[in-house]
Amino acid sequence: NAGVMQNPRHLVRRRGQEARLRCSPMKGHSHVYWYRQLPEEGLKFMVYLQKENIIDESGMPKERFSAEFPKEGPSILRIQQVVRGDSAAYFCASSRSANEKLFFGSGTQLSVL
Amino acid sequence: AQTVTQSQPEMSVQEAETVTLSCTYDTSENNYYLFWYKQPPSRQMILVIRQEAYKQQNATENRFSVNFQKAAKSFSLKISDSQLGDTAMYFCAFMNQNRDDKIIFGKGTRLHILP
Repeated sequence: NAGVMQNPRHLVRRRGQEARLRCSPMKGHSHVYWYRQLPEEGLKFMVYLQKENIIDESGMPKERFSAEFPKEGPSILRIQQVVRGDSAAYFCASSRSANEKLFFGSGTQLSVL
Repeated sequence: AQTVTQSQPEMSVQEAETVTLSCTYDTSENNYYLFWYKQPPSRQMILVIRQEAYKQQNATENRFSVNFQKAAKSFSLKISDSQLGDTAMYFCAFMNQNRDDKIIFGKGTRLHILP
């Protein structure tokens, strides 16, 4: 049973480009969470999704950031027109249901040049 | 709003010693979970230990144990017989039990185990 899979592990983008980060939850998990980690900081909540629904996006920046978790396929975190301040590690976590244990992926390190 | 505070940015101890990492939190909720996560250089987030607020008994996982003081809103992690593989960032975290599933993390403590 594979864990939470995130790809790519490293992503380099130039300012103004788009970044697409993918997360495949563990098998049987329908709850997905995205977190962002800035250097020397803890993880900050961004968004919580269930299949085809955004449950809580209170941590998402108002512009340029979007997330989806379609019925089929991985969850996608999309960042449009990236800026240097978007450089961070982005972690995905999944759980089988609410209040069950979260399993984290290994993160995607986004570097914006 | 809930907050989690880790007052020790960095710590170093000799191998085989015992070390305690501090964590305090602020909440008006009565039912919640507290966690300690370990993040080694591989960046993987590994759950070390979990505590339900309604349980008075402190959680224990092998060499890892917590001192949960609900009234003081304190949740420290004790690592006994520390090993080189314990070198990592350690994050204290909080989650409401009855509302949403947001986990709120502290800023972390970087722990070095010295040979």
